[in-house]
Amino acid sequence: KQEVTQIPAALSVPEGENLVLNCSFTDSAIYNLQWFRQDPGKGLTSLLLIQSSQREQTSGRLNASLDKSSGRSTLYIAASQPGDSATYLCAVKGETGANNLFFGTGTRLTVIP
Amino acid sequence: EAGVTQSPTHLIKTRGQQATLRCSPISGHTSVYWYQQALGLGLQFLLWYDEGEERNRGNFPPRFSGRQFPNYSSELNVNALELEDSALYLCASSAGLAGYQETQYFGPGTRLLVL
Repeated sequence: KQEVTQIPAALSVPEGENLVLNCSFTDSAIYNLQWFRQDPGKGLTSLLLIQSSQREQTSGRLNASLDKSSGRSTLYIAASQPGDSATYLCAVKGETGANNLFFGTGTRLTVIP
Repeated sequence: EAGVTQSPTHLIKTRGQQATLRCSPISGHTSVYWYQQALGLGLQFLLWYDEGEERNRGNFPPRFSGRQFPNYSSELNVNALELEDSALYLCASSAGLAGYQETQYFGPGTRLLVL
């Protein structure tokens, strides 16, 4: 069974700092990996989706990388802002037709003004 | 374009009752997914419906069930509620079987509290 782990569980940084969030998964047979943002008590907002054949994806200040063979992904946030404060979740979709996502437990980010 | 919508936003029930949660997918999406986010447990996959059929089920007891209607909206039913069913229930939609690589788009969730 796929297990997804995110480290650290919580992170607090001063505004303007660059930061990296980590995600690891136990089964490398994935179809894609997705990073989400979740604000308290709210649903999920998709940030980046990386197909298994890709190495990275970028959107604005966000850059996500994927090393499928080692079962790792990182989300890099440049020049952090207080508005980036949220919980960040990574999720993987397996290669089989199950189509559901396996989620990590998230990293709670606080950016201090 | 409207996103995924869910109702109600909050639901309070007592142990043993039944809860019904509703989800409307993005227009044109045929797949609906249900996830449970209980405190301290992370997001767990519950059910996947596509074209009116249940396609996959997570590791949950049979008292968690649902259906998908011809307009692709979906209901999640939880029977014989237990205290540990208290959670945020998230619905997501995607383009379905034909769009396996498509992103899943999530609704705002229904927060269920079982007393």
